[in-house]
Amino acid sequence: GQQLNQSPQSMFIQEGEDVSMNCTSSSIFNTWLWYKQDPGEGPVLLIALYKAGELTSNGRLTAQFGITRKDSFLNISASIPSDVGIYFCAGQGAAGNKLTFGGGTRVLVKP
Amino acid sequence: DAGVIQSPRHEVTEMGQEVTLRCKPISGHNSLFWYRQTMMRGLELLIYFNNNVPIDDSGMPEDRFSAKMPNASFSTLKIQPSEPRDSAVYFCASSQSLNSPLHFGNGTRLTVT
Repeated sequence: GQQLNQSPQSMFIQEGEDVSMNCTSSSIFNTWLWYKQDPGEGPVLLIALYKAGELTSNGRLTAQFGITRKDSFLNISASIPSDVGIYFCAGQGAAGNKLTFGGGTRVLVKP
Repeated sequence: DAGVIQSPRHEVTEMGQEVTLRCKPISGHNSLFWYRQTMMRGLELLIYFNNNVPIDDSGMPEDRFSAKMPNASFSTLKIQPSEPRDSAVYFCASSQSLNSPLHFGNGTRLTVT
C-alpha cells in the first residue's frame, strides 16, 4: 500500500526560527494536506495542495506540492511558542478518499 | 459552525464490556470517517461512509468492531467485546465530498482495563 515518510520525527524550535518538515511517498498523490494537532484535540487542516508544483501560504506557513507528486514540504517562518504540536502530512491518491497520513513531526520548544 | 462533535470525550471500561462511540458530522458534509490513533501505529483509517453508505471497512481490525450511520447527522462505532489493546484515541472526521479535506472532531480517548 501507499506509504508516507515524514521527517523529521521531532524537532526543537527557538522562538523566531524558521522550521521545515517534509513528506515523501512511494506513490503519486493527487492531493497533499498538512494538519496540526494540539494535545487533546483532533488534527486541524492548515493547508491543502491540489496541483503539482503548487506553492501555498497560510500566514507564516508555506507548503509546496512537489513536481514529482511524490513529496511535499511545510515551512513555518518566525516560529512562536504556539507553533508547538504535531504536524501531519496526508496524501490522497487517485483511488478515492483514502487519505494516507505520515507519522507526524513533533515540534517542541527548546528548553 | 460547531464542527464535528464526538462523545464521550473519555471512556474507561473493563475488558469484555461493550463500548459505543458517537459522532455528529458537520451539517452538509456527505462523507464520514472513523480513525484510530495510537503512538505505535499513528492515525489509522477504520471505515468511511459516503451518503450514509459504508464504502470501505477494510481498516476495521476485527469483527468486534462495527460502525453504523443511520442518518446524515449521526454515526456510531461499537466495540463488543472490548479488549485492552483497543485503548486508543478514536477520531471521527467529515468532509463535504470524498475529494474534500477532512475536518476532525476532538476524539474519544478510550481506555480498556
